[in-house]
Amino acid sequence: DIQMTQSPSSLSASVGDRVTITCRASQSIGTYLNWYQQKPGKAPKLLIYAASNLQSGVPSRFSGSGSGTDFTLTISSLQSDDFAIYYCQQSYGPPRTFGQGSKLEV
Amino acid sequence: EVQLVQSGAEVKKPGESLKISCKGSGYNFVSYWIGWVRQMPGEGLEWMGIIYPGDSDPRYSPSFQGRVTISVDKSISTAYLQWSSLKASDTATYYCVRPDCGSASCYPDYGLDVWGQGTTVIVSS
Repeated sequence: DIQMTQSPSSLSASVGDRVTITCRASQSIGTYLNWYQQKPGKAPKLLIYAASNLQSGVPSRFSGSGSGTDFTLTISSLQSDDFAIYYCQQSYGPPRTFGQGSKLEV
Repeated sequence: EVQLVQSGAEVKKPGESLKISCKGSGYNFVSYWIGWVRQMPGEGLEWMGIIYPGDSDPRYSPSFQGRVTISVDKSISTAYLQWSSLKASDTATYYCVRPDCGSASCYPDYGLDVWGQGTTVIVSS
């Protein structure tokens, strides 16, 4: 299985901050990397697909980049609604695998 | 509106069997793969497996092969996840998901863009 490692596992930030979360794959996955946001008690929500494509309806302060093994999710100016857990997921090879999550806290 | 609606929470005893469901609506159910994701309490997301309603052929993650059964009844647009003998370690929330597939095999995908609301399963004696 392809292992996905996120960093940091948790981070503290404030409204208005620029935040970057990284995701590293154990082998090259091209750009087949997706990002999700999960809030307590809710299903995850797709933010970014294929490394850099913004899902419909997702605010433009979210962006993604990277290819091969290293990827980033950036939130340009944190809003109060953005405090959540973020997961990366690869779809290059079966089985799909997720990162362990990055918890964004106030 | 495209939706996946899952069955309600379950409380079971170890050794019991269970089948939870996921009903799709708002789209052509037979044309889209349906997958299942596990989230244990306080933990991250784990991919369990996927099925194509058109041929009902499930594909399992090695970690879940032999532990669960994924099936589908396309006549009622519903996918299922079942256990024959539950363990306490099966306590989790289970999500059904619809990948935006980039090929007939659904590898790669362009995100799990539709999620069910989750079914919480508690296994306790």
